[in-house]
Amino acid sequence: AQSVTQLGSHVSVSEGALVLLRCNYSSSVPPYLFWYVQYPNQGLQLLLKYTTGATLVKGINGFEAEFKKSETSFHLTKPSAHMSDAAEYFCAVSVWNQFYFGTGTSLTVIP
Amino acid sequence: EAQVTQNPRYLITVTGKKLTVTCSQNMNHEYMSWYRQDPGLGLRQIYYSMNVEVTDKGDVPEGYKVSRKEKRNFPLILESPSPNQTSLYFCASSFGPYNSPLHFGNGTRLTVT
Repeated sequence: AQSVTQLGSHVSVSEGALVLLRCNYSSSVPPYLFWYVQYPNQGLQLLLKYTTGATLVKGINGFEAEFKKSETSFHLTKPSAHMSDAAEYFCAVSVWNQFYFGTGTSLTVIP
Repeated sequence: EAQVTQNPRYLITVTGKKLTVTCSQNMNHEYMSWYRQDPGLGLRQIYYSMNVEVTDKGDVPEGYKVSRKEKRNFPLILESPSPNQTSLYFCASSFGPYNSPLHFGNGTRLTVT
């Protein structure tokens, strides 16, 4: 069975501090991995994706994620948080014909 | 503009009254799917469609129906809504279910009383 675990339903960081949002997955086959962001009253927007190739993936708005097969992880990072980063973040995997999402992490940025 | 359009954005209804939430995409995507978002549970897939006339159940299909008669449209049907179907619903589409990311609509907030 496929599953996605996001550690920490709420994360608070100071403006300018490092953002680290954790995602672990379980999959019976090599997955495709995604991070999405959701702003209030909006749908989800793609931040970045890992399919094959380089394990360090760069996305929009300065975010990046590293695929670590041995740890079954795909953590999202950003070196310096901005107020506009406050949102809900979802990790997702695509396996066979379906997408599986984590339960989300709400990021608060403290001025 | 490339987009996934859902209607309505908000819907309040009563138990047992059939309703349809429409979804349309203009990106010529093969793959379309429906999700419900509930606090603490994230997004869960209800149904998906690989192509016209091809649909399959996701993780939480009970109480829902879908149809894919045209490539661009993928309506979600609740034949007899119940209060436990109160949720935020998202339609999404992509070129395929593997390495192609999903494009999401803006959601439909459904309340069943």
